[in-house]
Amino acid sequence: GQNIDQPTEMTATEGAIVQINCTYQTSGFNGLFWYQQHAGEAPTFLSYNVLDGLEEKGRFSSFLSRSKGYSYLLLKELQMKDSASYLCAVRDGNYQLIWGAGTKLIIKP
Amino acid sequence: DTAVSQTPKYLVTQMGNDKSIKCEQNLGHDTMYWYKQDSKKFLKIMFSYNNKELIINETVPNRFSPKSPDKAHLNLHINSLELGDSAVYFCASSQVAGRGYEKLFFGSGTQLSVL
Repeated sequence: GQNIDQPTEMTATEGAIVQINCTYQTSGFNGLFWYQQHAGEAPTFLSYNVLDGLEEKGRFSSFLSRSKGYSYLLLKELQMKDSASYLCAVRDGNYQLIWGAGTKLIIKP
Repeated sequence: DTAVSQTPKYLVTQMGNDKSIKCEQNLGHDTMYWYKQDSKKFLKIMFSYNNKELIINETVPNRFSPKSPDKAHLNLHINSLELGDSAVYFCASSQVAGRGYEKLFFGSGTQLSVL
């Protein structure tokens, strides 16, 4: 079967750096997405990786290793507004999106 | 302007009732979707609809039916509601289907509670 694993919950301090990991096993691969979802709101797109390496976008970076079936989302200079769930999703060989359950990130002052 | 809008935001109803959730997108996208997010926060695809082609997740009960009057609208109709239907339902759209980098734009969700 296909599955995506992420930690259920993480806690970090305002101003610090946090890395949220995602591992996946899918039938084929056509890219990996990270979405942010604040409580009670819709998921919003953060990043897309299809080639190995690091994609940087402001305070957020996303890394992909296809050979390891592994990605991480790196958040720098954490702000209270970064408290949210972070969803990892993989597009499989049939272009279907497979979603992880998300990592709830709690930021403390 | 809201890109993907769905109504209602909250829906509380009795078992056995029939209800509809409406969704509209003003992005000019070709593909729309319905997702169900359960209590464990997994997003599960229910339907995708692209240029009159409906792709159904085979695990979705036939009590659920999507209806698309035009490319900008995809409504979800649910018959004979059951307790297990309680969840948050998200509408989403993307420019096209079948491209790896296509990102989804989500509506704000409808929290359905079946009593």
